[in-house]
Amino acid sequence: DQQVKQNSPSLSVQEGRISILNCDYTNSMFDYFLWYKKYPAEGPTFLISISSIKDKNEDGRFTVFLNKSAKHLSLHIVPSQPGDSAVYFCAASFTNAGKSTFGDGTTLTVKP
Amino acid sequence: KAGVTQTPRYLIKTRGQQVTLSCSPISGHRSVSWYQQTPGQGLQFLFEYFSETQRNKGNFPGRFSGRQFSNSRSEMNVSTLELGDSALYLCASSLETGYNSPLHFGNGTRLTVT
Repeated sequence: DQQVKQNSPSLSVQEGRISILNCDYTNSMFDYFLWYKKYPAEGPTFLISISSIKDKNEDGRFTVFLNKSAKHLSLHIVPSQPGDSAVYFCAASFTNAGKSTFGDGTTLTVKP
Repeated sequence: KAGVTQTPRYLIKTRGQQVTLSCSPISGHRSVSWYQQTPGQGLQFLFEYFSETQRNKGNFPGRFSGRQFSNSRSEMNVSTLELGDSALYLCASSLETGYNSPLHFGNGTRLTVT
């Protein structure tokens, strides 16, 4: 049973446009959500996070939205840049447990 | 500040052998987690250590084990290797266990089992 799902394996957008990456989860007890970005031959790097007490968190070009009733979160990148091309992983965790549960990732390609 | 260091970067082993992977966390980080990434799959959680104690364990067979030393460095061991163990093994450290600490990943060890 996959508790965190990223249903789109890939996404392609034009430079300057908005990229929207989606993530669904099944366990309503998750209370902290994170996005990581991964370039080839490197480990994932932390991008942005959101607590379940919020519905939006913004950091520069990156905004994460959380819809608890739908058990859905999304990452918006505006404007998208070619350097954003990478695999994006959504992760969910419980505040008092170290384990993060990851989705399968979405490969974002930003075309110049 | 140096990042998470994993050694070796690449390993080729034969079925039935055993392997040990090493991870040095960021200085000051006391929690170390291990993940397995296989093609087309996300990161599968293996285990987490904090202050030399295993705090969480994923759904992997007992052939997969780990430990953490007093300096927070961690090792992961896989015995009786199978072809399906071929994967990228990622180590991640964080300041604390839980408490919403983001993970800081190393670049991984690519294990190939032939």
